[in-house]
Amino acid sequence: NAGVTQTPKFRILKIGQSMTLQCAQDMNHNYMYWYRQDPGMGLKLIYYSVGAGITDKGEVPNGYNVSRSTTEDFPLRLELAAPSQTSVYFCASGVGTGELFFGEGSRLTVL
Amino acid sequence: QKEVEQDPGPLSVPEGAIVSLNCTYSNSAFQYFMWYRQYSRKGPELLMYTYSSGNKEDGRFTAQVDKSSKYISLFIRDSQPSDSATYLCVGNAGNMLTFGGGTRLMVKP
Repeated sequence: NAGVTQTPKFRILKIGQSMTLQCAQDMNHNYMYWYRQDPGMGLKLIYYSVGAGITDKGEVPNGYNVSRSTTEDFPLRLELAAPSQTSVYFCASGVGTGELFFGEGSRLTVL
Repeated sequence: QKEVEQDPGPLSVPEGAIVSLNCTYSNSAFQYFMWYRQYSRKGPELLMYTYSSGNKEDGRFTAQVDKSSKYISLFIRDSQPSDSATYLCVGNAGNMLTFGGGTRLMVKP
């Protein structure tokens, strides 16, 4: 059982470039989330989705976009990358607001 | 002020020690609390989940919540090197989870 799969695991971007972080889950969870984790700062919610076709902003949405066309997939798009977006990004899924299942993370560096 | 605060550590203890990890929170709307464990370069995983004030035990782990003082603790008995990880305290209010910054624990053989 794969759980939550994130790709790529590592990526280096130049300032101004764009990219998409992929996230897929095979647990048929309705809820999916994108977090970023900076050292000592905890996990900050970027965007979340309560089901296919429904997305909403979290605490730190600026500079990011998401879509949820299927239950399984929840890609995160970074437009015009900036050094402040250097972080570790985690995708998570769950059946509600209880236990979340996290992917292994995508480490992004913007130079 | 952060809504959930933790001492970042690292906290270094010898194998077999009793570990106490602590967390304070400021949001009175939190309905329940969780502890997540995060190994290096991995995603967090749920360790403990507790609704109300009082203690909840699961094997070597005990979670304690004191809502009157907004204080949460996680105790680990007979700590093992495999317990070395970062422990994240989490509060839940409605649809949102609020994570603390985490405490890094190192258990030395």
